[in-house]
Order: sequence, then C-alpha cells, then structure tokens
Amino acid sequence: GEDVEQSLFLSVREGDSSVINCTYTDSSSTYLYWYKQEPGAGLQLLTYIFSNMDMKQDQRLTVLLNKKDKHLSLRIADTQTGDSAIYFCAESIGTYKYIFGTGTRLKVLA
Amino acid sequence: KAGVTQTPRYLIKTRGQQVTLSCSPISGHRSVSWYQQTPGQGLQFLFEYFSETQRNKGNFPGRFSGRQFSNSRSEMNVSTLELGDSALYLCASSPSSSGLYEQYFGPGTRLTVT
Repeated sequence: GEDVEQSLFLSVREGDSSVINCTYTDSSSTYLYWYKQEPGAGLQLLTYIFSNMDMKQDQRLTVLLNKKDKHLSLRIADTQTGDSAIYFCAESIGTYKYIFGTGTRLKVLA
Repeated sequence: KAGVTQTPRYLIKTRGQQVTLSCSPISGHRSVSWYQQTPGQGLQFLFEYFSETQRNKGNFPGRFSGRQFSNSRSEMNVSTLELGDSALYLCASSPSSSGLYEQYFGPGTRLTVT
C-alpha cells in the first residue's frame, strides 16, 4: 500500500537544529519533496531529492534519504521562529501520482 | 509571475447545496491538482488535470468532480454537500508533465457546510 507517515509534533529552541522525519512505503517513488504550510496559507515547496540520491543541501536545509529503510528526513539548521509551521513530506510515483505525509507541526520556542 | 489564485477564499453553504471552486494556475503551467485538507484526514488528493484531461483521481465519491479549460484554469464542483465536506480545498499547479513534479499551491478555499 501507499502510506507516508510523519510524527505529529516537534518543538525546538530558537538557534537549535530541527530534524523532521518521514517514512514511506512505496519504493517506486521517483522524487521526494518537503513542503511547508504556514497558518492560513497553501503549501510552499521547500526542496526535493531525486530517489537515487542520498543527500541534498540547500542553504539551511539538508535532506537525507535512506532508500533501503524508506526513510526521509529534513534538517533545518539554526531554526528561527519564522520556521514554525507544518511540514509535509511527499513522494511522486510515476509521472503524476502524488502522496503527502500526515504533516509535522514544528514549534520554535524563543 | 503571479502565483496560483483560488476563488472564492471563503464560502459557507448549506447541506444539500452544490458549490463550484475556481483555480487559476501559474501562467504556462498545464497541470492542475486539487486536494482536500481537514484536521482529521490530512491532505487528500482529489484529482489532477493536464491539458484538459483528467489523468488521475483520488478516492472520493462521484459528488466531487472537476474540469480544466483550454487556458488551464480549473474548476471543481461538489454536489449535494454534506457536513463532512467542510474543509480547506487547495489547488496546485505544476510546470511538469512527468518526472520532477514540483507543485505550487494556491492559498485555498475554506468551505464551511452548515
């Protein structure tokens, strides 16, 4: 079956690193993505990784992919209060099939 | 470039009524997807259109339908509204037809069914 799971909540202190985790079940995914949703807004694409890559770094964001364990993580360095939001991982399977995770609510404490 | 726009932003309807939501994608994007977001069910895929053709459909009843016009604008319709249809409806457009499929989301339409 197709399922993308995330932990519901994460709380960190400002300046610390945040690590948001995601597990998926469909091994035929081609790309995996991270989206951010702020209150009252739609989702914003943060970054993505091709399924045959292990890691991708994009400024404060680091994506790690363990394809064997079907585990994806997003690390945010030097987390700021503006990073407080819900983070969704997603996978695309084939050409246009998209599955979103359950979302992780990140709270950054000042 | 202007982002994805959705109209209306807020809507209140009564059970049994029908509703039409509109989405204008980013200029040049031919793929439009619709999602329903609720606190209990999370983000659920409704359907995806590319060049006026529905390419994929989620697991929703036939009361949910959509279409895409030749200018890539899309509408979704929900007939015989139920209380459980209260949700944020998100539209996303993509420049891709395959492979890397980045989606750009609109702000959503908040539908309340009373």
